[in-house]
Amino acid sequence: GAVVSQHPSWVICKSGTSVKIECRSLDFQATTMFWYRQFPKQSLMLMATSNEGSKATYEQGVEKDKFLINHASLTLSTLTVTSAHPEDSSFYICSAPPGNWQETQYFGPGTRLLVL
Amino acid sequence: QKEVEQNSGPLSVPEGAIASLNCTYSDRGSQSFFWYRQYSGKSPELIMSIYSNGDKEDGRFTAQLNKASQYVSLLIRDSQPSDSATYLCAVRGGSQGNLIFGKGTKLSVKP
Repeated sequence: GAVVSQHPSWVICKSGTSVKIECRSLDFQATTMFWYRQFPKQSLMLMATSNEGSKATYEQGVEKDKFLINHASLTLSTLTVTSAHPEDSSFYICSAPPGNWQETQYFGPGTRLLVL
Repeated sequence: QKEVEQNSGPLSVPEGAIASLNCTYSDRGSQSFFWYRQYSGKSPELIMSIYSNGDKEDGRFTAQLNKASQYVSLLIRDSQPSDSATYLCAVRGGSQGNLIFGKGTKLSVKP
């Protein structure tokens, strides 16, 4: 299947700092990528939709000025958590639909963020 | 608001048994349905997709879809301890074409 990578896989940072997470589609081009967040024992919740060449679309309740998304190319989307706080600690997962994207989505391995 | 409901479990079955996982969804217009497996600390891994009413089999896994009842299920035959994980039901139904996930059912297969 299609491969999606994320970097870093783990990050620990101090409160108030910014953290950048990269999501790459390795063997296909993705005009759309999705960013999900998963808190412990909860399901995945969509945060935003990243669109190549245009602004991201954020879900209700997600602060666009705090979670900056840049879809710089057809294979790369970045999520920057600005001024991170402990409540932002979570598992961040990106996904990208390849080719006939109506069929499925492939998920990156996820980035676990811990804000101290 | 579109919703996907799953029994959170845990569901415990002995090794070799059939595990049955169920899911209901609220949007009658949904067309695409997926089952993902998620091991602790890992991201979801696609197991099955189903788009038409009826059964779809892939190895030990069978997905069943009943659009009239808005119901999707996953059967795992000859369950193995390695099948122990959380199983997420997902429906494509978001305004952006994204997936909407249930909370997942935790499956435990006892040796």
